[in-house]
Amino acid sequence: GAGVSQSPSNKVTEKGKDVELRCDPISGHTALYWYRQSLGQGLEFLIYFQGNSAPDKSGLPSDRFSAERTGGSVSTLTIQRTQQEDSAVYLCASSLGRRGADTQYFGPGTRLTVL
Amino acid sequence: GEDVEQSLFLSVREGDSSVINCTYTDSSSTYLYWYKQEPGAGLQLLTYIFSNMDMKQDQRLTVLLNKKDKHLSLRIADTQTGDSAIYFCAETTPMDSSYKLIFGSGTRLLVRP
Repeated sequence: GAGVSQSPSNKVTEKGKDVELRCDPISGHTALYWYRQSLGQGLEFLIYFQGNSAPDKSGLPSDRFSAERTGGSVSTLTIQRTQQEDSAVYLCASSLGRRGADTQYFGPGTRLTVL
Repeated sequence: GEDVEQSLFLSVREGDSSVINCTYTDSSSTYLYWYKQEPGAGLQLLTYIFSNMDMKQDQRLTVLLNKKDKHLSLRIADTQTGDSAIYFCAETTPMDSSYKLIFGSGTRLLVRP
């Protein structure tokens, strides 16, 4: 299967530690998105990549959150000095990057628990 | 501003039709989507509708769009126990070059045998 993959599937960390979450998009997809799903906030957009650049970072909740994408493919989302409110499922999606009905395909997510 | 709202819960009997409703506020929305999320799984796209359409049918799924009332619905015919999941509606707008999805809170559908 050539779907979107994410790793790790589960991550438990202690408050104050840094974590890195990885997303492997579908081959050939130029657009990549990170979303967060939490009980209190539902599904929220975090950041959008077109190629290696991130023209829309408007959803990142604080400067502890950053993301990069290299080679127009793999993306990592980094959360520094994690807080308990960062506990959520982090979802990655990719698409062809066309205008219009550009279907986003989602990965299974990384469940982050901050103790 | 952008806001998408859904009722939280729907329970139906197996074989009945299910209707999940969604309202949105952004009148410039271009595409409206329905995603399905099963327990422990990611989001699966079910269908989408362009904002200049009124209806779209795909096998057991029928999407109705009322642009005047900014109301979107998903009808599932002959609902099966495998349809039990959370259903999210989402929108994108032409004002947003990222085409990011704005999601509703999700409707949990429970299908009783």
